[in-house]
Amino acid sequence: EVQLVESGGGLVQPGGSLRLSCAASGFTFSDYSMNWVRQAPGKGLEWVSYISSYSTTIYYADSVKGRFTISRDNAKNSLYLQMNSLRAEDTAVYYCARVSAITAPRDYWGQGTLVTVSS
Amino acid sequence: QSVLTQPPSVSGAPGQRVTISCTGSSSNIGAGYDVHWYQQLPGTAPKLLIYGDTNRPSGVPDRFSGSKSGTSASLAITGLQAEDEADYYCQSYDSSLSDVLFGGGTKLTVL
Repeated sequence: EVQLVESGGGLVQPGGSLRLSCAASGFTFSDYSMNWVRQAPGKGLEWVSYISSYSTTIYYADSVKGRFTISRDNAKNSLYLQMNSLRAEDTAVYYCARVSAITAPRDYWGQGTLVTVSS
Repeated sequence: QSVLTQPPSVSGAPGQRVTISCTGSSSNIGAGYDVHWYQQLPGTAPKLLIYGDTNRPSGVPDRFSGSKSGTSASLAITGLQAEDEADYYCQSYDSSLSDVLFGGGTKLTVL
């Protein structure tokens, strides 16, 4: 059974940093690309970032470019999102999701982790 | 405002058929990029409902179907059930923006 479990969310002050993790199981992690999608409270889904299976291709949404860094460790079956210079508008539930290519469907999602940016 | 436009809400009585539209442009849906649909039940993570315009993942009832024409796509739900009450999102890719796009979402209410 495919499982994706996010962790690392919490309350952080504006300008602060946070590192999210996503632990994957139930499939060969290195065979798949991964991405992060977020959802602000009461709002819709917003794609954040994409990383290919061996980290050779990485994309970011303009809203986080230069502030967020996606990475992965295939030996640990883990995906990460380093978030710096956080703003109030980054407050959201962050989901990791499996994907085979940038245009492909996000076929499995984690349960999400809440990031709140507030003073 | 999302590049992929969905109606904010739709509603229908149990047993009825509803459709949810997703309107894009020549750089995303109209360029031939696949449209995928997700269902998000209250308080849960999104779940893949339709992929590649018209395909259902294993376990998704055939009451759900997808279609695409030109710069638009649609999700149809027949035999509406109370458990279908959820938010629905379309998703595609835009070559001009080099971005993965989600529609703004549509809240389905079963009357």
